[in-house]
Amino acid sequence: DAGVIQSPRHEVTEMGQEVTLRCKPISGHDYLFWYRQTMMRGLELLIYFNNNVPIDDSGMPEDRFSAKMPNASFSTLKIQPSEPRDSAVYFCASSPPGQGAGNTIYFGEGSWLTVV
Amino acid sequence: DAKTTQPNSMESNEEEPVHLPCNHSTISGTDYIHWYRQLPSQGPEYVIHGLTSNVNNRMASLAIAEDRKSSTLILHRATLRDAAVYYCILRAGYSNSGYALNFGKGTSLLVTP
Repeated sequence: DAGVIQSPRHEVTEMGQEVTLRCKPISGHDYLFWYRQTMMRGLELLIYFNNNVPIDDSGMPEDRFSAKMPNASFSTLKIQPSEPRDSAVYFCASSPPGQGAGNTIYFGEGSWLTVV
Repeated sequence: DAKTTQPNSMESNEEEPVHLPCNHSTISGTDYIHWYRQLPSQGPEYVIHGLTSNVNNRMASLAIAEDRKSSTLILHRATLRDAAVYYCILRAGYSNSGYALNFGKGTSLLVTP
């Protein structure tokens, strides 16, 4: 399997522009997670989906952030408008069904976002 | 969520065993103990997990204290590639949260030749 695939790997954008990050989870996985990592705050959970339905978005910073999962093989995280403080590495991860808290979560390589 | 406490950093010589400790004194009976690591410029990757008994896999061993209030990740022979941040995470066995991982600061492991 190719693993969790994220795009773009790197993006530099100007403040105020819309940013869309994309994720393809591992086939057959029914949980999808979006994380953000910064030096100051470490790894933070933003939102997660189960069977394409958002379950918990309490980690989404504010209304400028939105996430969708239109089908089992694709998810997007959108920032509009972007701000310099959004600069971070954004990770997408997925997890297979069954076994609950004993499951392994598989992470993508991340999307490195810089907002100038 | 129950919290974990890990040393900020540790250092090891290459080809020597490494014992990474984790305290989780408020662990509940249904919490799983997971370890993930993050190599530089990469996403976190699964290392090992357990509930009550010690566990071994090709990457590492997990030793869980009898009272489950602490655990130790054991790398039997550290290599330079094992230099990473190691996260000890508790995951609730029964939860409506989808079993998401809540990362702390982890332990930064330095391996020297």
